[in-house]
Amino acid sequence: GAVVSQHPSWVICKSGTSVKIECRSLDFQATTMFWYRQFPKQSLMLMATSNEGSKATYEQGVEKDKFLINHASLTLSTLTVTSAHPEDSSFYICSVPWRGSKYTDTQYFGPGTRLTVL
Amino acid sequence: DAKTTQPPSMDCAEGRAANLPCNHSTISGNEYVYWYRQIHSQGPQYIIHGLKNNETNEMASLIITEDRKSSTLILPHATLRDTAVYYCIVRVNTNAGKSTFGDGTTLTVKP
Repeated sequence: GAVVSQHPSWVICKSGTSVKIECRSLDFQATTMFWYRQFPKQSLMLMATSNEGSKATYEQGVEKDKFLINHASLTLSTLTVTSAHPEDSSFYICSVPWRGSKYTDTQYFGPGTRLTVL
Repeated sequence: DAKTTQPPSMDCAEGRAANLPCNHSTISGNEYVYWYRQIHSQGPQYIIHGLKNNETNEMASLIITEDRKSSTLILPHATLRDTAVYYCIVRVNTNAGKSTFGDGTTLTVKP
């Protein structure tokens, strides 16, 4: 399977500042990565699909100007939360699709980034 | 993607088999059943997936009914470290692996 890292693992910031979260695929190249958000005691919600070399695709209700996604290379995608507010406090998780031996796509997830906006 | 239904919570004794059910009565012929788990404050972890045949790997077994309308994830010898939220996801083998997560089943393994 794939190994996925995220940085930072946790971050605390003041309201109004921007925060960048990195997602790296460590052992294979990924033209697509996914970003999820998870509020306490809730399930994961897909925010957007990050596409290498083109614009990200956002899910309905997700503000693309607030959550900037850049797929800088085949191993790196970044999510920038712009002008963060307390309601943006959440657990942000990226994932990388991986095609295995059975020719089916599965996903490998990063460890997540805990964002707290004061 | 087909909708899935899972019990919100289950308990299991350490060392015993944990059997986690999932109903997916509207599954289409080309949709696979995937299982992931999420240990508290970590990213989800892939466990196993299948189309129609039963599957087994080093982590678990997946039993899919003949009509494919339900499945069961089996952890043969549950340990305390298996305490997690288990998600059953049904989707086609396209969209580069995009998955929609439901509420899952919180499995608590007790000593």
